[in-house]
Amino acid sequence: DADVTQTPRNRITKTGKRIMLECSQTKGHDRMYWYRQDPGLGLRLIYYSFDVKDINKGEISDGYSVSRQAQAKFSLSLESAIPNQTALYFCATSDSSGTYYGYTFGSGTRLTVV
Amino acid sequence: QKEVEQNSGPLSVPEGAIASLNCTYSDRGSQSFFWYRQYSGKSPELIMFIYSNGDKEDGRFTAQLNKASQYVSLLIRDSQPSDSATYLCAVNLEYGNKLVFGAGTILRVKS
Repeated sequence: DADVTQTPRNRITKTGKRIMLECSQTKGHDRMYWYRQDPGLGLRLIYYSFDVKDINKGEISDGYSVSRQAQAKFSLSLESAIPNQTALYFCATSDSSGTYYGYTFGSGTRLTVV
Repeated sequence: QKEVEQNSGPLSVPEGAIASLNCTYSDRGSQSFFWYRQYSGKSPELIMFIYSNGDKEDGRFTAQLNKASQYVSLLIRDSQPSDSATYLCAVNLEYGNKLVFGAGTILRVKS
């Protein structure tokens, strides 16, 4: 099984719908992150969490919310999806030394909002 | 100025050549630097990290760091078609305690 699992892998949804992307990890890491990737723009940080009680906004948090249900689970919600939220979404994890040893990424969720 | 900048490419090199990928960053206090490889539609995969000025070699890959000039590069020797991917540079900025990614450079190795 993958160390960082994202569900669903692909999702098509309609404008205005609420959608949740889920991430779970078996690495025992404290820190979890949500990124979105758009062509030519690289990875942009949406939200991050350093532990269950610590949630922080990233550079593009508007229109998104998150929930850290447990150390191993971090969910991203789009309350009312819009077409420009169509992107590839990645969850990542790290331990407290993550800034020295890098992040581990999930396989990604390809989200299309029509 | 973006915090981490990369030439988007594509960078095209023939099979067997050396591919040179470059990245510049804005925060002079940055301490750690990473190169990720990402195949189309797949997740980023860490291939190199470097903390100290100079070169770090791992197989066909060499990371080079120059903190005074605020750039980090990745050299791929004996490039193979399987090296064709997007290479993402990531920097741990001194503030914020998290990685910031460049937009990536597309590398194409032609056989």
